Amino acid sequence: NAGVMQNPRHLVRRRGQEARLRCSPMKGHSHVYWYRQLPEEGLKFMVYLQKENIIDESGMPKERFSAEFPKEGPSILRIQQVVRGDSAAYFCASSRGQGVWDTEAFFGQGTRLTVV
Amino acid sequence: GQQLNQSPQSMFIQEGEDVSMNCTSSSIFNTWLWYKQDPGEGPVLLIALYKAGELTSNGRLTAQFGITRKDSFLNISASIPSDVGIYFCAGQLRATGNQFYFGTGTSLTVIP
Repeated sequence: NAGVMQNPRHLVRRRGQEARLRCSPMKGHSHVYWYRQLPEEGLKFMVYLQKENIIDESGMPKERFSAEFPKEGPSILRIQQVVRGDSAAYFCASSRGQGVWDTEAFFGQGTRLTVV
Repeated sequence: GQQLNQSPQSMFIQEGEDVSMNCTSSSIFNTWLWYKQDPGEGPVLLIALYKAGELTSNGRLTAQFGITRKDSFLNISASIPSDVGIYFCAGQLRATGNQFYFGTGTSLTVIP
């Protein structure tokens, strides 16, 4: 049973370009979380999604950032017109999202975005 | 969103010492989780707690789900150099649709 898969592991973008980060949850998991981590800092919540729905996006910047989790395929975190301050590690976690069976969340290995 | 207060923020200890860290919240959680993150990697689940008062061990690690359900503790006994990393707590809140909330992390450095 594969774990949470994130790709790419490393992504370099020039200022003004778009960054697309992908997260495939564990098999049987229908809820996905995205977190951002700056070097030497903790995890900052960005968005919580279930298939085709955004449940909580209170941590997402209002501009340039968007997230989706379509019925088929991975969850995508999209950053438009990237700036240097967007450089960080972006982690995704998944959980079952099925009532009493939703008791654990597992993380991917992250995508390290560098904006040059 | 919910705020989890994790302390201490960082710890520097001698190899062989025991370590204690905790996580508190203003809300009652139905599940507490503890994770460890090695440099350059994603957080890895160490221990999951499901009932108030529950005490669970994983090797040298022991975690407890506080009686009030608003806190949790992680203890590491006889620390070794590979315990170095950032430890995160997470709480699950049924009232918000089983959403997980994460603490800001405790950075542990073990001095050989």
